[in-house]
Amino acid sequence: DGGITQSPKYLFRKEGQNVTLSCEQNLNHDAMYWYRQDPGQGLRLIYYSQIVNDFQKGDIAEGYSVSREKKESFPLTVTSAQKNPTAFYLCASSIGRGAGANVLTFGAGSRLTVL
Amino acid sequence: DAKTTQPTSMDCAEGRAANLPCNHSTISGNEYVYWYRQIHSQGPQYIIHGLKNNETNEMASLIITEDRKSSTLILPHATLRDTAVYYCIVPFNKFYFGSGTKLNVKP
Repeated sequence: DGGITQSPKYLFRKEGQNVTLSCEQNLNHDAMYWYRQDPGQGLRLIYYSQIVNDFQKGDIAEGYSVSREKKESFPLTVTSAQKNPTAFYLCASSIGRGAGANVLTFGAGSRLTVL
Repeated sequence: DAKTTQPTSMDCAEGRAANLPCNHSTISGNEYVYWYRQIHSQGPQYIIHGLKNNETNEMASLIITEDRKSSTLILPHATLRDTAVYYCIVPFNKFYFGSGTKLNVKP
């Protein structure tokens, strides 16, 4: 079945450590996105990528980094510069961008806790 | 980018229709309206989208006003499993999710 796989589902990190969250899709989608969700809040866009080897900052990119070396993969690194990284992280993908019909498919999420 | 406004929460009796409103008064002519829902601690799920005509699928109906400044998502016969946060978004190049509407379906 096609879909998006995020790993790990749960992750614990000590302060000052970098951590990388994996996102893989087999939907042949061009665009991929990373969102952060805090308890009781909506989703905030961290980074997005519309094509391989290209990505753009979203609303809250500070303290995060991404890469898009392959179409199916869009890993997110939470760096030590992120002041409050404890959150639920969601990866999504879509066929493309623009005014046409673009439907987002989401992964199951990764929950990061900083100890 | 167009932004949306939704009520924070709504209640609905099980078996009744749930009507969730969304205001998107700054929408431009070629922007679609998308609806998603998120059940607790899961990734959001796509429900339906539309441009200017009313749309219906197996999950819901979408009614868009003629001036396209607002829309309503209709769940015709709400069940307890429809309890979730419902997001109305109007993306162009990026997808912005606000806080959505928390729908509580009660027995």
